[in-house]
Amino acid sequence: EAGVVQSPRYKIIEKKQPVAFWCNPISGHNTLYWYRQNLGQGPELLIRYENEEAVDDSQLPKDRFSAERLKGVDSTLKIQPAELGDSAVYLCASSLGTGDNEQFFGPGTRLTVL
Amino acid sequence: SQQGEEDPQALSIQEGENATMNCSYKTSINNLQWYRQNSGRGLVHLILIRSNEREKHSGRLRVTLDTSKKSSSLLITASRAADTASYFCATDRTGRRALTFGSGTRLQVQP
Repeated sequence: EAGVVQSPRYKIIEKKQPVAFWCNPISGHNTLYWYRQNLGQGPELLIRYENEEAVDDSQLPKDRFSAERLKGVDSTLKIQPAELGDSAVYLCASSLGTGDNEQFFGPGTRLTVL
Repeated sequence: SQQGEEDPQALSIQEGENATMNCSYKTSINNLQWYRQNSGRGLVHLILIRSNEREKHSGRLRVTLDTSKKSSSLLITASRAADTASYFCATDRTGRRALTFGSGTRLQVQP
């Protein structure tokens, strides 16, 4: 069974440019998460989806970040415009949404903003 | 904001030795989970302990949970060079179905 798929794996952009990350969760997982991980830190939640509904986006900087999960499967996270401080690894995770909430993570997208 | 704090931040041991990592957290939880992250990779789930459990084993891993002290420990016995990674505790907080991670312990196992 395929795990969580993310693309691209690496992205280098100039500040003020837009960037988008894509995630395909494990088949059957209703809950999808986007996390941001700064160097030397643990992941921090940006947004959580239950099917196609964003149920927790309190940590998402809404002035420049947006996300969508069309049809409750794949998801896209966008930053526009990017700032130097957005350099980080963006991780996507999915879970069944029931029980103990064990999450399965993708490999992440490492973003460098110059 | 990070819920948990791991201790130590970094740990270097010889192959065959045991490694112990500690985690403290602040709020009530449904469960506490430990994840491993190899350099440049995603996180891999290791073990989960529920709030009504005190100890759990999985292979060479032993996790304890003390909800009165809001702390947990992860013990890796007979460590191997392949155990070199960062280890994170994550809490599934009551009323919020999203994990809150600590800052991690970087473990280096010398062959």
